[in-house]
Order: sequence, then structure tokens, then C-alpha cells
Amino acid sequence: SAVISQKPSRDICQRGTSLTIQCQVDSQVTMMFWYRQQPGQSLTLIATANQGSEATYESGFVIDKFPISRPNLTFSTLTVSNMSPEDSSIYLCTGGEPTDTQYFGPGTRLTVL
Amino acid sequence: KQEVTQIPAALSVPEGENLVLNCSFTDSAIYNLQWFRQDPGKGLTSLLLIQSSQREQTSGRLNASLDKSSGRSTLYIAASQPGDSATYLCAVTGRDGNKLVFGAGTILRVKS
Repeated sequence: SAVISQKPSRDICQRGTSLTIQCQVDSQVTMMFWYRQQPGQSLTLIATANQGSEATYESGFVIDKFPISRPNLTFSTLTVSNMSPEDSSIYLCTGGEPTDTQYFGPGTRLTVL
Repeated sequence: KQEVTQIPAALSVPEGENLVLNCSFTDSAIYNLQWFRQDPGKGLTSLLLIQSSQREQTSGRLNASLDKSSGRSTLYIAASQPGDSATYLCAVTGRDGNKLVFGAGTILRVKS
């Protein structure tokens, strides 16, 4: 099973600032996924990140707000830009083929004041 | 558009009871279905993966079934323990194999 790590585990940020979240997988994977879990809600896919190409964003999510990097097959970053209190959520990443068992990172708990 | 529904939203049972969590999905053209556990403020732990061609999967006290034609899955937990208290999420992968669609989850509390 893949092991996913994320940094930071939590952060408290001021409105209008940006935060970059890192996701590391212990093996090479083609696809990495970023999810958001708003308070009391289930998980919603933000975007799919493939190495060497632009990320694919789901409806309601845009690159200017959530830029993603995928420099290699084991690492990805998600930036939450120009944050507002509505961005307070847990952000989770996972990697690997979605047709296989998905192993999630521990998540990044973001609070925006 | 795939939609996943989980019933009940919350469940409280005494220790030792057997219980069933339900998951339904609107589009039966799925690749697989997964059950996850989430502890408060934590990430997700994968419990069971059922491929679309399978009917059930078992792991310890957990048994998950899949009826793809009716768009339903159940997670059976035998002899529940306080340590089973968590939110249980089901998620399906569509035939495009591109992403997971999650249900809202069932919050389980097992009382000692």
C-alpha cells in the first residue's frame, strides 16, 4: 500500500494570504488527486494532477485559486490563493490509479481568519 | 452525474451489536466501490475495495457487499467495539476511472 505524507498538517492563516500544501508519495504514481472536505461535509475533488501536464480541475474550481504543481511522479503541491474564511477545510491528497485502492494522506487542516 | 447517498447519517449502538451501513449510487456503471473510515480531524483509512465484478469483500469483522444493478452497497460490522466509532464513507469510481465520488458518510458511535 502507498504511504502518503502531507505538510503542513495544520495551519491558521490570515484572509488574503496564500498557503502551499505539499504531498509526497512513497512510490511513483501517474495520477495524484487533491480533495477538499469542508466542515461537516464529505470530500469533493478539486483537481487531478498528472506529471508533465496541466492539472485538470473539477467544476467550481479554477487554476487561479488553486494552482497545482506536479514536478515529478512522487510529489505535488496545492496552493490555496487569496484565502477567505470559506476556504477553511481539510485538504487531502491521494495518488495512484483511481481504479485501485486509494490511500489518502493525513490531510491539512486549514483555518482562515 | 453520479450521486452517492449514505443512510443513516448517524448511528449510535451499544458495544457488541452487529450493524449495517448503507450506500446507494445513482449510476450503476461503476468501476469499483470503496469503503473508508475517518476519525475526527484525520485523513481517510481504506477499509475495503470491491471491484464491479465482485459481490462482496471481507476483512476481519467487516464485510462489504455490492449489488451493482440496484446501485447499492452495505458495510456489515460484526460485534461492534468502541474503537469502531468513526465516520464511514463510501465512494465509487466511475467507468471513466478518473475520480472517486463520495457519499456524505455515516457517523457511528459505539457505546461501551
